Amino acid sequence: GAVVSQHPSRVICKSGTSVKIECRSLDFQATTMFWYRQFPKQSLMLMATSNEGSKATYEQGVEKDKFLINHASLTLSTLTVTSAHPEDSSFYICSARRGDIVQYFGPGTRLTVL
Amino acid sequence: QQQVKQSPQSLIVQKGGISIINCAYENTAFDYFPWYQQFPGKGPALLIAIRPDVSEKKEGRFTISFNKSAKQFSLHIMDSQPGDSATYFCAASKGAGNNRKLIWGLGTSLAVNP
Repeated sequence: GAVVSQHPSRVICKSGTSVKIECRSLDFQATTMFWYRQFPKQSLMLMATSNEGSKATYEQGVEKDKFLINHASLTLSTLTVTSAHPEDSSFYICSARRGDIVQYFGPGTRLTVL
Repeated sequence: QQQVKQSPQSLIVQKGGISIINCAYENTAFDYFPWYQQFPGKGPALLIAIRPDVSEKKEGRFTISFNKSAKQFSLHIMDSQPGDSATYFCAASKGAGNNRKLIWGLGTSLAVNP
């Protein structure tokens, strides 16, 4: 159990376009999901905490108007990178929290902005 | 300030040997200590986790040793295999609700030589 999926796994887009990434918990309900960004050979950087039915909480320095998060149901959270630019190119990973503590991660989405 | 310090940064072990990765923390309020394994291009996978009320937890070839007084915990991989070659992250968390976030170590790149 505790499977988290992400879609798409890889996306290439042109500068100025918006990209939506979906995160789903497949076999459990997740009141809370998280979105991370990871640069090559670095640790995970938390971008925001997403709660079902309420506004996301963003970490300091993360532009909430650029990274739109919607947690529409107990199994789905989406991250939309708006007006993407090459500097937004990165590996984006979501996680879903089962219960109060344990986080399970999705496989990640590689975003490349040309 | 790095709240969770992980060492070594990289590790090379021969097949069949023991891999040991160490983490130290400062905040005694942390009450959950997971280890994640990440392969290139994939999301982190929960490997094993421990709470501070036990000193050791073993799951197959993976063991966490926890020293509350020293504020240290370590991952031991017995009979290391080439398939264990990956990046390992320790983490810690505390609190409740949106305040419970994973604080990450910087990662250890493990290479197991055949």
